[in-house]
Amino acid sequence: KNQVEQSPQSLIILEGKNCTLQCNYTVSPFSNLRWYKQDTGRGPVSLTIMTFSENTKSNGRYTATLDADTKQSSLHITASQLSDSASYICVVSAKNYGQNFVFGPGTRLSVLP
Amino acid sequence: EAGVTQSPTHLIKTRGQQATLRCSPISGHTSVYWYQQALGLGLQFLLWYDEGEERNRGNFPPRFSGRQFPNYSSELNVNALELEDSALYLCASSHPGGFGLLRNTGELFFGEGSRLTVL
Repeated sequence: KNQVEQSPQSLIILEGKNCTLQCNYTVSPFSNLRWYKQDTGRGPVSLTIMTFSENTKSNGRYTATLDADTKQSSLHITASQLSDSASYICVVSAKNYGQNFVFGPGTRLSVLP
Repeated sequence: EAGVTQSPTHLIKTRGQQATLRCSPISGHTSVYWYQQALGLGLQFLLWYDEGEERNRGNFPPRFSGRQFPNYSSELNVNALELEDSALYLCASSHPGGFGLLRNTGELFFGEGSRLTVL
């Protein structure tokens, strides 16, 4: 069964600190993995995409990693800001017919001053 | 270029009524996805439309239905509303890609959602 798990469920950090969010998946056959940021009550916005051959990709203060062998991904946020407070959703795409996108439950990040 | 637009932004209904939500995808996108997000929970897949046809649906009862129009806009209908239908309904669009339906459809672009409250 195609599944995406994320940890931790929620996280509270102080402004300026770093944090790492985890994503484990069992989606097959794997196509790509995206991290989305969702502000409360808003639609998710894509942060980064990882394909099978990519190990690391950065987007400003966000750095995503992918280990296709262990089927794990992480999102590292550097020097957190108050505006980073949001839910971060891991979405894995499968190369098959049907619903191509498998969503994780998200990690709720709160950045405190 | 306009993004995915959804209407209405907010909708309040009572139990047993019907709700209709609308979505306009990004120009050139033929795939439209609908998701339900109850407060504090993750996104649950509802429906996927492409080229005017329903391609897949999630584990929701038949009173959740929809359609896609020739201009690729889409409508989600929820009949016989129940209290637990209160949620943020998100629409996303995607370009199908050169290989059609058998190929991963790429990035999902989301609208801002329609907040449905059932009293």
